[in-house]
Amino acid sequence: TQLLEQSPQFLSIQEGENLTVYCNSSSVFSSLQWYRQEPGEGPVLLVTVVTGGEVKKLKRLTFQFGDARKDSSLHITAAQPGDTGLYLCCTDKLIFGTGTRLQVFP
Amino acid sequence: ETGVTQTPRHLVMGMTNKKSLKCEQHLGHNAMYWYKQSAKKPLELMFVYSLEERVENNSVPSRFSPECPNSSHLFLHLHTLQPEDSALYLCASSQVPGTDTEAFFGQGTRLTVV
Repeated sequence: TQLLEQSPQFLSIQEGENLTVYCNSSSVFSSLQWYRQEPGEGPVLLVTVVTGGEVKKLKRLTFQFGDARKDSSLHITAAQPGDTGLYLCCTDKLIFGTGTRLQVFP
Repeated sequence: ETGVTQTPRHLVMGMTNKKSLKCEQHLGHNAMYWYKQSAKKPLELMFVYSLEERVENNSVPSRFSPECPNSSHLFLHLHTLQPEDSALYLCASSQVPGTDTEAFFGQGTRLTVV
């Protein structure tokens, strides 16, 4: 079993659409991180959420940490082709989730 | 140079070959990591080094042998690999090992075992 399960696994949308990606676990974490990986590159940190219920915004990306600190979500508003990539959530011990591969078409 | 650098970027090797992957970080970090990423599986943590000591080995087969001669360099020695070992091998570093720390990744080595 995977410590962090992400859904959906794949997402293919048109430019301008909104989307939400989920990261779920049965374990409690002191923090969760979100990374994005583009083709030919390593993952790059987007955000770290620390407090249960915390909401952080990064331009059109909104990250939320669950109240019980077991799960997190990433919402993208008005997706753009530049958002295309693999989105990975990650535990406080750098164990990564199953990943969501996002493709945004112009 | 800055960041985390991995060499080579691409490697093709036979099952009887011996090769090594190299990772170098210029960030002054104290922890370094090897991950395996394949099409079928998410990013799998293989080894963790803290201040040049191995602190974690996640049931990785012995045909993968890590080496950390100093806090800036990390190697992954490969021998008698199998085709299923073909994957992207990513190196990362962080300021401190353990919890609540950001990982900085290299671009990876794309390994193909034939």
